[in-house]
Amino acid sequence: NAGVTQTPKFQVLKTGQSMTLQCAQDMNHNSMYWYRQDPGMGLRLIYYSASEGTTDKGEVPNGYNVSRLNKREFSLRLESAAPSQTSVYFCASRLTGAALSNQPQHFGDGTRLSIL
Amino acid sequence: AQSVTQLDSQVPVFEEAPVELRCNYSSSVSVYLFWYVQYPNQGLQLLLKYLSGSTLVESINGFEAEFNKSQTSFHLRKPSVHISDTAEYFCAVTGNTPLVFGKGTRLSVIA
Repeated sequence: NAGVTQTPKFQVLKTGQSMTLQCAQDMNHNSMYWYRQDPGMGLRLIYYSASEGTTDKGEVPNGYNVSRLNKREFSLRLESAAPSQTSVYFCASRLTGAALSNQPQHFGDGTRLSIL
Repeated sequence: AQSVTQLDSQVPVFEEAPVELRCNYSSSVSVYLFWYVQYPNQGLQLLLKYLSGSTLVESINGFEAEFNKSQTSFHLRKPSVHISDTAEYFCAVTGNTPLVFGKGTRLSVIA
């Protein structure tokens, strides 16, 4: 069972370059999320999508865009990378809806992104 | 709005000693609580969850957490830790919104 798959696992960019992080889940979950993890900051929500065709901003959306391509896939794009976006990025998915508030999130293994 | 506070950023403990990782939350609605574990260079894995019913929940690897509504806490405990428990632990809360995570507690088990 693949669960949540993120690609690539590692990436080094130069300031100003663009990049799309890919995420796919095979659990038929309707909600998907992008987080960034920085030392001492925990996980901070960038964007999320409660269903195909909808996206919402999280805590730290500036500098990012997202696309919910279909129910399985949710991509994160950095249009013009900045050193402050050096981080580990995690995608997660979850089954949500009426009477489903108690469902946990399932995470991918992360993408380690360095911007020089 | 919901929030989670993990009171200790780092907890060193000797092997076979007990450990408690503290988590307090705030929420204006009924909540569900989770503990996740992150081993080095990996993603987050669900360790245990409180949904309803018994306030004491257990994981398969010996951890347990107790939901205390009056103290708004969900502390994680293990009576005897192993080297393999070295990891970062995250407490999280949700109502019907994206999970909100604490900043994490790094547990270091010393041989």
